[in-house]
Amino acid sequence: QSALAQPPSASGSPGQSLTISCTGASSDIGAYNFVSWYQQHPGKAPKLMIYEVTKRPSGVPDRFSGSKSGNTASLTVSRLQAEDEADYYCSSFAGTNNPYVFGTGTKVTVL
Amino acid sequence: QLVLVQSGAEIKIPGASVQVSCTTSQNTFTGHYVHWVRQAPGRGPEWMGQINPNTGGTAYAQKFRGRVTISRDTSIRTAYMELSILRSDDTAVYYCATEDCTSSTCQKSFDSWGQGTLVTVST
Repeated sequence: QSALAQPPSASGSPGQSLTISCTGASSDIGAYNFVSWYQQHPGKAPKLMIYEVTKRPSGVPDRFSGSKSGNTASLTVSRLQAEDEADYYCSSFAGTNNPYVFGTGTKVTVL
Repeated sequence: QLVLVQSGAEIKIPGASVQVSCTTSQNTFTGHYVHWVRQAPGRGPEWMGQINPNTGGTAYAQKFRGRVTISRDTSIRTAYMELSILRSDDTAVYYCATEDCTSSTCQKSFDSWGQGTLVTVST
């Protein structure tokens, strides 16, 4: 199972928006509406930001939103804030044989 | 969300085995599957396997089958991950994480995470 492809880096100024892509295959992202996104600050455990493509867990700001088209999912962060600077990973369910695959990760820098 | 507390860092020699534990402060894992995810230095997370604490049923990533065993002891609210025949490239932070299965379908995402356990494999 290959990792999902993400751009290595993305950046934006405070108040701006940015979008991170996550490209998979017809056997994972394309097959299931079970894409999730995680935020990870240095030395910390990942934190769930989006699940089931578009849903936000309680406590996650509505500045974070998710979407999917075909084999590609996206995370949009609106109204960027300094605390959004972190690594972001996507993940998708990929069936019962090898259930979960993660993305390669995107380092977000707030300029 | 559950609070998950993992066992401490381990240093192992190649060929040895390691067991990492994950304990919830709640009464039980009820309604949640427990997963194990590892992250090598500078790399993305990698899913290893899962356990249904109610039934003990497990599933493992193809890459780790034969080397990993996930188990649980419900009486002490603890899940375990044992990885055998360790190699240097098994050096990583190992996390337990839970999946919400309280509704009719599981959410297929990881909503609570332990603090991570660093396992170093070196001679």
